[in-house]
Amino acid sequence: SQTIHQWPATLVQPVGSPLSLECTVEGTSNPNLYWYRQAAGRGLQLLFYSVGIGQISSEVPQNLSASRPQDRQFILSSKKLLLSDSGFYLCAWSVQTAEQYFGPGTRLTVT
Amino acid sequence: GESVGLHLPTLSVQEGDNSIINCAYSNSASDYFIWYKQESGKGPQFIIDIRSNMDKRQGQRVTVLLNKTVKHLSLQIAATQPGDSAVYFCAENRGDYKLSFGAGTTVTVRA
Repeated sequence: SQTIHQWPATLVQPVGSPLSLECTVEGTSNPNLYWYRQAAGRGLQLLFYSVGIGQISSEVPQNLSASRPQDRQFILSSKKLLLSDSGFYLCAWSVQTAEQYFGPGTRLTVT
Repeated sequence: GESVGLHLPTLSVQEGDNSIINCAYSNSASDYFIWYKQESGKGPQFIIDIRSNMDKRQGQRVTVLLNKTVKHLSLQIAATQPGDSAVYFCAENRGDYKLSFGAGTTVTVRA
């Protein structure tokens, strides 16, 4: 069966510091991968999605970037965090459908 | 703006009663919809989906109804239990394996 992992689970970082969040998927090959951000009490905003290694599409202009160095690894990064980057970050995967499955999320607080 | 929305941000239901969560969508060409359940501090969990060639689909204690005429989607939960307390999101296929999410309805089950 497929599983998806995210780490860290929680993170507190100062403004201006770098960020690296990791997502890995097991049990499937060549998945579509997604990064979402969820503000408190809000819905999910798609940030990035990837259909293959090195293939990244950005949905909204922002302070973040994404990379996919391996088939089942998706990384969300920032060189300098802003207060507005705080939120709950979710990684998701799908295989040739819109049916997406989510990881446990990372709670990021920028102070 | 968002193309998917929920009618009510909160729903309080007595344990044992049936719950109905509503969702309106704007794109009449949408062909696929998903309901997700998100418990506090966790990633969204897939509940049930429905394609636009169907009006109704049933799962374990859940039923999704799709009314394409008025672009309305609902999730019915039978015999609501305390474990059903969560935020429920409807999501709409926007093409290219991507989803649009509404803001969510918070369901609280009263004992």
